[in-house]
Amino acid sequence: AQTVTQSQPEMSVQEAETVTLSCTYDTSESDYYLFWYKQPPSRQMILVIRQEAYKQQNATENRFSVNFQKAAKSFSLKISDSQLGDAAMYFCAYLNYGGATNKLIFGTGTLLAVQP
Amino acid sequence: GAGVSQSPSNKVTEKGKDVELRCDPISGHTALYWYRQSLGQGLEFLIYFQGNSAPDKSGLPSDRFSAERTGGSVSTLTIQRTQQEDSAVYLCASSLTGTTSYEQYFGPGTRLTVT
Repeated sequence: AQTVTQSQPEMSVQEAETVTLSCTYDTSESDYYLFWYKQPPSRQMILVIRQEAYKQQNATENRFSVNFQKAAKSFSLKISDSQLGDAAMYFCAYLNYGGATNKLIFGTGTLLAVQP
Repeated sequence: GAGVSQSPSNKVTEKGKDVELRCDPISGHTALYWYRQSLGQGLEFLIYFQGNSAPDKSGLPSDRFSAERTGGSVSTLTIQRTQQEDSAVYLCASSLTGTTSYEQYFGPGTRLTVT
């Protein structure tokens, strides 16, 4: 069974600085997607970034970028120029498409605090 | 356009009562998911609907849980004879199929408290 591990329960970053959140996963599949979701106190899960496993190029969305290492099964999120609004719980998620269910498998989350 | 909506936002119920949670997906999204978020178990998949196909119920924790999706749109998650361990946030998500993005868009969730 696939698993997702986030080893940092909490992280803190100064406003305008850069922070990296770690995620590792375990799978025997070769075709899959990886996602980072953000969950602020409002509870709404917001998609931050997506990475297709078949793509070697790391995904980037504005201040958010990933470091995808397929062989190492690692998928970290880098947030540049951190803003107060980035404070939230961040979840790494895995999806094995093509099966009967395109369900997301989540890590346990990293709570990010942004200090002014 | 409108996102995924869920109702009620919060629900407090007594142990043993039945509850119904509603999810209205993004218009045009054929896939619908229910997840549960609790302190002890984290985020876990419950059930998946895809078009008119039989749902994947493999994540439902017990036979007290059931869900239906009417007309390929609105879904209702029903919990019968609620227990305190059912207290959690229930999240609904929807996605397009026939695309390559597989992105799931979530609603704001329903916080269920069983007293």
